[in-house]
Amino acid sequence: QSALAQPASVSGSPGQSVTISCTGISSDVGGYTYVSWYQQHPDKAPKLIIYDVSSRPSGVSGRFSGSKSANTASLTISGLQTEDEAEYFCSSFRARGPYVFGTGTRVTVL
Amino acid sequence: QVQLVQSGPEVKSPGASMKVSCQTSGYSFTGYHIHWVRQAPGQGLEWVGWIRTDNGATKFSQTFDGRVSMTRDTSIATAYLELNSLRSDDTAIYYCSRLVVGGLDLWGQGTLVSVSS
Repeated sequence: QSALAQPASVSGSPGQSVTISCTGISSDVGGYTYVSWYQQHPDKAPKLIIYDVSSRPSGVSGRFSGSKSANTASLTISGLQTEDEAEYFCSSFRARGPYVFGTGTRVTVL
Repeated sequence: QVQLVQSGPEVKSPGASMKVSCQTSGYSFTGYHIHWVRQAPGQGLEWVGWIRTDNGATKFSQTFDGRVSMTRDTSIATAYLELNSLRSDDTAIYYCSRLVVGGLDLWGQGTLVSVSS
């Protein structure tokens, strides 16, 4: 079961915006709106920050936003803050899967 | 308090079996599916499978080739993950999590399972 493709790392200065891509195929990211994003700090459990492509759970900062175009979903972090430094994973429903995660992206705040 | 609390760490020998529990509280257990996700040391997240807590139906990742089973006990609002014929590459933190529409919104603290001879 191949994982969704994410860049290994992205970085930005405080206050900047960064965008993380999550590339799949038509039978996962491209075919469903069940794309979610998770933030994971070291030695912590993942935390849901985006679901259904672009919805934010209650309590999650509005600086996190999600979108999707064709087979690629994206997570944008605006106004980057030091506490945003973490690993980020996307996930999608997948036909015959039925779930798959991305490879993960390390966000570094410079 | 809405939470998932998992059982403690385990050390197993190759070929043995493991069973991790996930006790839920603070919400209706049968109202949400439970997913299991694992994370090998320094690696990404890997979906293991899910169990429908209302009727016990399960779905697993093909990766586990029949080695995995999931059960639940509704009387104590607890889900279980069993993995048999353990190998060294099964060494990982195993998480249970609750599925709401579109995402896994609540996670257990994780259970480290180490497989070593």
